[in-house]
Order: sequence, then structure tokens, then C-alpha cells
Amino acid sequence: QKEVEQDPGPLSVPEGAIVSLNCTYSNSAFQYFMWYRQYSRKGPELLMYTYSSGNKEDGRFTAQVDKSSKYISLFIRDSQPSDSATYLCAIQGAQKLVFGQGTRLTINP
Amino acid sequence: DAGVIQSPRHEVTEMGQEVTLRCKPISGHNSLFWYRQTMMRGLELLIYFNNNVPIDDSGMPEDRFSAKMPNASFSTLKIQPSEPRDSAVYFCASSPQDRGFFSYGYTFGSGTRLTVV
Repeated sequence: QKEVEQDPGPLSVPEGAIVSLNCTYSNSAFQYFMWYRQYSRKGPELLMYTYSSGNKEDGRFTAQVDKSSKYISLFIRDSQPSDSATYLCAIQGAQKLVFGQGTRLTINP
Repeated sequence: DAGVIQSPRHEVTEMGQEVTLRCKPISGHNSLFWYRQTMMRGLELLIYFNNNVPIDDSGMPEDRFSAKMPNASFSTLKIQPSEPRDSAVYFCASSPQDRGFFSYGYTFGSGTRLTVV
């Protein structure tokens, strides 16, 4: 079993839709949870970072962590074509980050 | 800060040739990571260094791969001999480590797209 599971998609939605991206993880010792965004032919860049269970908002983005279910989510409100990218969840392991496979998202105008 | 700098951006080489990828981490970051990304396998950690010392190289696929970090501002990943299945995008990332946790995340370079024909 992979430490972090993420549906690779692809996911295609119309502009303005609410997008939900999800990951599950297996190790309950994980404490830090991150989302990275990767545009085509670029390196991943840190989008959001959370520590505890609950929600964290940053503009149109909300990161949600449910440690009891080992489930993390990223919600994008009022999605824009510029949000089209691959989104990777990343979870702090013992001495390194463990990445999900990434979900390729396309927002259609 | 210029960010994490990788070179070359693109590399096309023939099977059997030696390939060297280069990385300059962000100044002050004491951890450096080499990743490989493919469509099938996603982002795979190959090796990471802390204070120039290799900590975990369990992701290095085989003896054909080697990595060095001679000083805090430079690292190389070498493949010798290269094979077509090594074709991928190779990323270098760096991070300031705080008490064993990478709570600040990693900063990635733009990657080297390697094609072995």
C-alpha cells in the first residue's frame, strides 16, 4: 500500500465550478500536510500548508484535514482557467515529504 | 533569491552515454532532494542530503545512478550508462530543515527533461 494515495484524474470542470481534490494516507504519525501546484513544464510550488485537523482558507482555496479518517482535501471556489495544473498532496513523513501522484485539473472557459 | 537552479533544462542523449544533471540550492537551505517524475509513477524521491551528507538513497533505482553534494551550493546526479527507461523529468528541491521537520515545504527547481534515445 502506498503511503499516500491520490487519484491522478484527469479532472475537467467548467469555469466557476467548485473543485474538490483529495488524498488519503496510511501513517497516523503524519503531522504536516501540504498542497503543491505544478504548471506544465514547471516544478511544483507550495500552495498551502496545514498542521492540524480542520480547515484553512487562503482566498479561493481551502485545505481540509481529517486525521481520524486520514483524509485531506483541497477545495477551489470559483475556479478559473489559470487554475489548470496538476495538484499534488504532500505529507510530512519521518524525515521527508511523501507526495501523492498528483491530479491533473483542467478548468474549461 | 534566484530560487533552485537546475541545468541543463533539456538533455537528449544516446543510450549508454553518461549524463550529469546539476543543481544549485537556495542559499541557506541545508537539505537537498533529487526527484524523478514520470506520468506512470509520479514524483519519486531518489536521494536526499542534509548538510551535504546523503541521508536516504533508497530511491536510487540502481548502481547506474549516483549523486554527490561536494558543498552547500552544488549537487550533481549522474547516470552512467544511461538507458531509455531513464527518460523523465528530474527535479532538484531544497528546504530549510527545522528540528527534523520540513514544515516550510520544499522549493523545487524547474527540472531537467531527460530523453535517452
